[in-house]
Amino acid sequence: AQTVTQSQPEMSVQEAETVTLSCTYDTSESDYYLFWYKQPPSRQMILVIRQEAYKQQNATENRFSVNFQKAAKSFSLKISDSQLGDAAMYFCAYRSFEGGSEKLVFGKGMKLTVNP
Amino acid sequence: EAQVTQNPRYLITVTGKKLTVTCSQNMNHEYMSWYRQDPGLGLRQIYYSMNVEVTDKGDVPEGYKVSRKEKRNFPLILESPSPNQTSLYFCASSPWTGGFNEQFFGPGTRLTVL
Repeated sequence: AQTVTQSQPEMSVQEAETVTLSCTYDTSESDYYLFWYKQPPSRQMILVIRQEAYKQQNATENRFSVNFQKAAKSFSLKISDSQLGDAAMYFCAYRSFEGGSEKLVFGKGMKLTVNP
Repeated sequence: EAQVTQNPRYLITVTGKKLTVTCSQNMNHEYMSWYRQDPGLGLRQIYYSMNVEVTDKGDVPEGYKVSRKEKRNFPLILESPSPNQTSLYFCASSPWTGGFNEQFFGPGTRLTVL
C-alpha cells in the first residue's frame, strides 16, 4: 500500500522568507500524481500545486514550487516570499490507480506558522 | 457557483443513534469520496465512488456505509455511531478523467459522538 510521510509536524518562517516543506512517499507504481493541499483555520482544503510523476519538470504556481525527485520518492514544497496568509496546515497527497481503483492517500500534515 | 456541499456542518449525537451526513456536488463529477480527519493522522479515505452505483472501500471503512444512487449525491451513513467516530469529515469530488484532476472538497462536518 502506498504511504505518504511528512516528517516535520510543525515549522515556522519569517514573513518574506522562503520555507521548504518535505514529503516522501512509498509506491511501486510508475505513474501517479502528487498534490499539496493547504488547510487554513477555516478548515477548507485548498489545492496548492500538483505534479504528474511522468513529467520531469517541476511544477510551479506563482510563489509555490516543488522539488520532485522520483527516484528518491520525494516531493517537497517550496514557498517563496512567505506571507501571513500562508499560515496553515499543509498536506502532501498521493493519488494512485492501483488495481483499477482510485485512491488519494494523505500525509499526516504539517503546521506552518508565519511570523511577522 | 461550482461547489461541494455537506450537511450538517456540526453534529453532536449519542452512541448508537443512526445518522446521515449528506454530500452533494453540482459539477457533474463522476468521482466522489469521503475522508475523516483526525489530529496527527491527516486525512484518511473512508469510501469512494467512481460513478453511480459504483462504490468501494477506502482505508478506514469500518462503521460506515455509503450509497450512490444519483450522480450528484453521496451520503455517508453511520448506522450505530461510536465515540471513536468523533472526527472532522470531508466529502470531495472530481471528474473521472484521470488522476491529475483536482479533488474539490466540501466545507467539512464536525461530528461528536458522546
